[in-house]
Amino acid sequence: QKEVEQDPGPLSVPEGAIVSLNCTYSNSAFQYFMWYRQYSRKGPELLMYTYSSGNKEDGRFTAQVDKSSKYISLFIRDSQPSDSATYLCAMSAEGAQKLVFGQGTRLTINP
Amino acid sequence: AAGVIQSPRHLIKEKRETATLKCYPIPRHDTVYWYQQGPGQDPQFLISFYEKMQSDKGSIPDRFSAQQFSDYHSELNMSSLELGDSALYFCASSLRAINSYEQYFGPGTRLTVT
Repeated sequence: QKEVEQDPGPLSVPEGAIVSLNCTYSNSAFQYFMWYRQYSRKGPELLMYTYSSGNKEDGRFTAQVDKSSKYISLFIRDSQPSDSATYLCAMSAEGAQKLVFGQGTRLTINP
Repeated sequence: AAGVIQSPRHLIKEKRETATLKCYPIPRHDTVYWYQQGPGQDPQFLISFYEKMQSDKGSIPDRFSAQQFSDYHSELNMSSLELGDSALYFCASSLRAINSYEQYFGPGTRLTVT
């Protein structure tokens, strides 16, 4: 079983919808939680970063971390066709260098 | 803003050949990470360097080696290439003094082994 589980989708929603992307994890040592966006054949782009539990908002994006449930979410409001990409969650333990990624969810926003 | 630079962007090699991938981190970033992403897979951590010293190691085959130089650029050397080495290889960088978890990725090198 993978340390980080993420529904690969694909997920298709109409423009303007609220999108919810989620990951679960098993390693309780994870303290840092990131969301990356990856367009086809490009490198992952860091969207959001959160330490421990709580919420963080950046424009149309909101990241939530619930460590008690080992569950993290990314919400995208007023979704745009340009948001169409694969979204990867990533996590890291305190003192560790490596990021452990989820499988990625392929998202399509339809005009 | 300057980003992570990787070269070459595409590389085609035959089995048993050797390949060298290069990574130039964001200016002032002192830590470099290498990841391998197979087709339809998530990126897998290979190795990282901080101030020219190996700082963490993941699932990197013994056939692979890497180093970081005094100007902080890094090279990933891959020998005795196998078909299964075909993948996207990403380099990421961070400024460890601020946050080593805030890693910024380059565009990747697509390696094809035939």
